[in-house]
Amino acid sequence: DAGVIQSPRHEVTEMGQEVTLRCKPISGHNSLFWYRQTMMRGLELLIYFNNNVPIDDSGMPEDRFSAKMPNASFSTLKIQPSEPRDSAVYFCASSPPGTGVNQPQHFGDGTRLSIL
Amino acid sequence: GQQLNQSPQSMFIQEGEDVSMNCTSSSIFNTWLWYKQDPGEGPVLLIALYKAGELTSNGRLTAQFGITRKDSFLNISASIPSDVGIYFCAGQLGAGNMLTFGGGTRLMVKP
Repeated sequence: DAGVIQSPRHEVTEMGQEVTLRCKPISGHNSLFWYRQTMMRGLELLIYFNNNVPIDDSGMPEDRFSAKMPNASFSTLKIQPSEPRDSAVYFCASSPPGTGVNQPQHFGDGTRLSIL
Repeated sequence: GQQLNQSPQSMFIQEGEDVSMNCTSSSIFNTWLWYKQDPGEGPVLLIALYKAGELTSNGRLTAQFGITRKDSFLNISASIPSDVGIYFCAGQLGAGNMLTFGGGTRLMVKP
């Protein structure tokens, strides 16, 4: 079965440019999460969606960050304008509907973002 | 907010040795998860624990959900070189499936 698919795997761009990260969750999963991983701060939840609706975006660092989920099979995380401190690995994860127990999240392989 | 303290931060062991790592929390969780992350990849779920006191095994891995619901440990028996990676614990309270991650344990295995 296909896992969570993220693109691109690597992105290098100059500061000030717009960056768009993409995620395709596992089919049938109804929750989608965006994380950022850095050496200093570890894994941080940025935002998550349930049934395509943003539920909690309190982890989004600034207004420069925005995320959308136009349908159940696609989500984007956009940074505009990008800054060097945004350099990190960004992960997308998805989880299936709960059936009485919390459902584990399954992660993509991440996008390694470098802002010069 | 909730925080998870994971220890040790790193371990360097000999192949064949057993490994133990743990996570403690300042507040309770309803689910504990253990993930492994290899370089250049995303975290992969190893074990999920759903009940206080639950002890679950997955091959050479064993994890337990603490009775107080504020801690969990992961043991790896007879370590092998492919066990190398970063192991993360994560707690899940329930509402919205949000996860809180520990800082990770970097495991290095000497052949």
